[in-house]
Amino acid sequence: GQNIDQPTEMTATEGAIVQINCTYQTSGFNGLFWYQQHAGEAPTFLSYNVLDGLEEKGRFSSFLSRSKGYSYLLLKELQMKDSASYLCAVNTGFQKLVFGTGTRLLVSP
Amino acid sequence: GAVVSQHPSRVICKSGTSVKIECRSLDFQATTMFWYRQFPKKSLMLMATSNEGSKATYEQGVEKDKFLINHASLTLSTLTVTSAHPEDSSFYICSADRPYSNQPQHFGDGTRLSIL
Repeated sequence: GQNIDQPTEMTATEGAIVQINCTYQTSGFNGLFWYQQHAGEAPTFLSYNVLDGLEEKGRFSSFLSRSKGYSYLLLKELQMKDSASYLCAVNTGFQKLVFGTGTRLLVSP
Repeated sequence: GAVVSQHPSRVICKSGTSVKIECRSLDFQATTMFWYRQFPKKSLMLMATSNEGSKATYEQGVEKDKFLINHASLTLSTLTVTSAHPEDSSFYICSADRPYSNQPQHFGDGTRLSIL
């Protein structure tokens, strides 16, 4: 089976830094993606990791360790608009994405 | 701008009705499209992979007679929810695999289906 786990909910304060973890056990691995999703909307692509290490993109960074089956998304300088669900997804092959359980992030003033 | 168009964005209909949702790739040809279902406060669940010119590949537990998928052209895939019932109410999202893109899939805006 495919297991991709994330914390269900997290809270943080505006201006702070938050790290959202994702652990995975999948039948195949061709890269890991992070998406942001606001309620009632489609997911928006944030980042992509296929090799181990850190990928930085403005306020967002994503890290991957393939040997540990682990990734995290780091959000810096949090803003109120960052309140959303964050989904990690594994490309298990042939462009097929399996999504994690999703993390709802609430940013408070 | 959007590269995948999904229509309609919202449907409300009576139990027993069949509902068709369209997913179009706007400026590229998509041999593969994907259909997802999402329940409130849950993550996306892959329902099926839509392959142009051949039968769709359904995930385990998804009824192929209930959720009919047609991918008759390189820019259009349709999902038909047949004889819909209240338990079929959900958010349905399609995506298309765009060649030479840094993203594996581009998502439509989703369809909110409500069965009364």
